[in-house]
Amino acid sequence: DIVMTQSPLSLPVTPGEPASISCRSSQSLLYSNGNIFLDWYLQKPGQSPQLLIYLASNRASGVPDRFSGSGSGTDFTLRISRVEADDVGVYYCMQALQTPYTFGQGTKLEIK
Amino acid sequence: QVQLQESGPGLVKPSETLSLTCIVSGGSISSYYWSWIRQPPGRGLEWIGYVFYSVFRNYNPSLKSRVTISVDTSKNQFSLKLSSVTAADTAVYYCARGHSDTSGYYFVDYWGQGTLVTVSS
Repeated sequence: DIVMTQSPLSLPVTPGEPASISCRSSQSLLYSNGNIFLDWYLQKPGQSPQLLIYLASNRASGVPDRFSGSGSGTDFTLRISRVEADDVGVYYCMQALQTPYTFGQGTKLEIK
Repeated sequence: QVQLQESGPGLVKPSETLSLTCIVSGGSISSYYWSWIRQPPGRGLEWIGYVFYSVFRNYNPSLKSRVTISVDTSKNQFSLKLSSVTAADTAVYYCARGHSDTSGYYFVDYWGQGTLVTVSS
């Protein structure tokens, strides 16, 4: 199985400040067509997860442009340019290259 | 708007079979990868598997010998059966709509609200 490792696991952020979450995979997620098979999900408190970013850098429908994803191969980053109170929750990266699809441990973002 | 709703017993005895159903509304149950994902209390997410068009199934190898996912197009619903459960199977179980293609790329765009299943005698 591909192992996904996130850091940090806890991320306190002041509103209006930027935030960054890292995700590393145990093998490259670069597919032969040039796409990177890495997704980001956010699970807000008491809710189901929701898709934020697909194919490493594409925002899902309705996701604010404050969110951006980047990375290549085995190292990926989710950035929030200006954190808002509504961004609190647990962020998960997921490798979508091969089954079993696997998630990172999650990064809990909280407001200072 | 597509909605998914899980239903089933919230308590299952050890060694018995966990059975859950997911009713899909607001869209057809055809053409998607109908998935189950679980989350043990206080822990991360684990992909269980999916069914596509009633004929193609893909399961997590860690659960493969115990899991069955099936779809009933006449009722617009799909189901999960997990046999020989233990306390380690206690989790919130989510049904979800997945997408995939010939490359194998996969993502989930709709999730149910999740249902807690506790395995205990």
